Amino acid sequence: GAGVSQSPSNKVTEKGKDVELRCDPISGHTALYWYRQSLGQGLEFLIYFQGNSAPDKSGLPSDRFSAERTGGSVSTLTIQRTQQEDSAVYLCASRLGGVNEQYFGPGTRLTVT
Amino acid sequence: AQSVSQHNHHVILSEAASLELGCNYSYGGTVNLFWYVQYPGQHLQLLLKYFSGDPLVKGIKGFEAEFIKSKFSFNLRKPSVQWSDTAEYFCAVNAPGTYKYIFGTGTRLKVLA
Repeated sequence: GAGVSQSPSNKVTEKGKDVELRCDPISGHTALYWYRQSLGQGLEFLIYFQGNSAPDKSGLPSDRFSAERTGGSVSTLTIQRTQQEDSAVYLCASRLGGVNEQYFGPGTRLTVT
Repeated sequence: AQSVSQHNHHVILSEAASLELGCNYSYGGTVNLFWYVQYPGQHLQLLLKYFSGDPLVKGIKGFEAEFIKSKFSFNLRKPSVQWSDTAEYFCAVNAPGTYKYIFGTGTRLKVLA
C-alpha cells in the first residue's frame, strides 16, 4: 500500500514569510508525528497527534509553529514569520494504534533565505 | 527523562570490514529499542527492533543488534559491510505503551568500495 507522503518535497522561502507543510499518513494510522531533522542534531520531536487531537505539543519550538490534523488523516504544519534557523528537514511519521513501529515520510526540506 | 546517545558520529569503513555502531540510552524502565536507517536521498526506514525476548535481534540486510540491559546498550552490528550500506543510522527508544520516541543524533556511515 501507499506509504506516508509529504509535500512539498522542497520549499525555499524568504525570511518572514509563512509556510505550510503537508503530511498524508498511511490510511488507518491513528497516530501522527512531526519531527525536525537538522544537520548533526538527529530527530527533534515537534508534535504528536492521536486522531485529530494533539495531546503533546511540547516540542514546538515557538508560538510561530502550529499544526493541525483533520479527519484523522492529513496534517499540516504551519510556520509563521519564518526565520533562518527554521531551515531543516521536516519529517512526518505515522503509526497504527497499538503498534510500536513508526513509518516515515520522505520529508520536506525547508530553506529560509 | 529518556535520552539516547550515539557516540560515533562519522564512521568510514572499507568493504568487507565489520561494523559496530554504539547506542546507549538512559531510562530506568522497560524499553522498546529501534534502529532506523536513512539511505542517501531516501526516507527513514526501520532496520530492526527489540520489544522483548531474545536480546539478539536480527534485521534486514544482515544487520543485527544486541540488547544488553545491564549496560543500557543496543549496539548495531554487521559482520561484513557493503558499499550499499552507506547511510545514516539512528537509534531510538520508546517506553512501552507510551507515544514518545527519543532518537539519537545519528551515525553517518561511509563504506569505501
